Amino acid sequence: AQSVTQLDSQVPVFEEAPVELRCNYSSSVSVYLFWYVQYPNQGLQLLLKYLSGSTLVKGINGFEAEFNKSQTSFHLRKPSVHISDTAEYFCAVSARNRDDKIIFGKGTRLHILP
Amino acid sequence: NAGVTQTPKFRVLKTGQSMTLLCAQDMNHEYMYWYRQDPGMGLRLIHYSVGEGTTAKGEVPDGYNVSRLKKQNFLLGLESAAPSQTSVYFCASRHVSYQETQYFGPGTRLLVL
Repeated sequence: AQSVTQLDSQVPVFEEAPVELRCNYSSSVSVYLFWYVQYPNQGLQLLLKYLSGSTLVKGINGFEAEFNKSQTSFHLRKPSVHISDTAEYFCAVSARNRDDKIIFGKGTRLHILP
Repeated sequence: NAGVTQTPKFRVLKTGQSMTLLCAQDMNHEYMYWYRQDPGMGLRLIHYSVGEGTTAKGEVPDGYNVSRLKKQNFLLGLESAAPSQTSVYFCASRHVSYQETQYFGPGTRLLVL
């Protein structure tokens, strides 16, 4: 079975500062990895995903994530955040040999400080 | 192209009442999912379906039933609602290919008194 741990439930950061949201996963098989964003009172939308190939994945809105197999991590980064990035961010994993469902982490709430 | 829609958007139930949440998608997706979202718990999978006429249990299936009679619709039923089922419910769908994105509906807020 797969599991996801998001190490921080809330992350405050000043506007225009860099941010990193941490995600670690556990799996006995190879995985696909995802980051989703949920803006207030909305559903989730995909930020980026790692399927194969380059371990550095670029997504929408200037976000990127790096897959590190040895550390079983998939941390999300942005070099300069904007007030509009205020949202909850979810890391998710699915097994390559059975990709019918995705397991989500508990989420990290990003607070942008003016 | 409406994507994934959910009906209703809000609902208040009394303990013991029943209701059905409807999810509809117009993208011809094979896979559909029901999640619940609770503060500090993230999204937890209730049930899912990999095709018309098939359903499977997720992480937290107790107290819920589902049906997928048509490819575009996925229904979530609560036969006897309990206060512990107060939550925000999200439906999602995607194509069978693992490369495809999972699309989410806007959510249904349910309060059980």
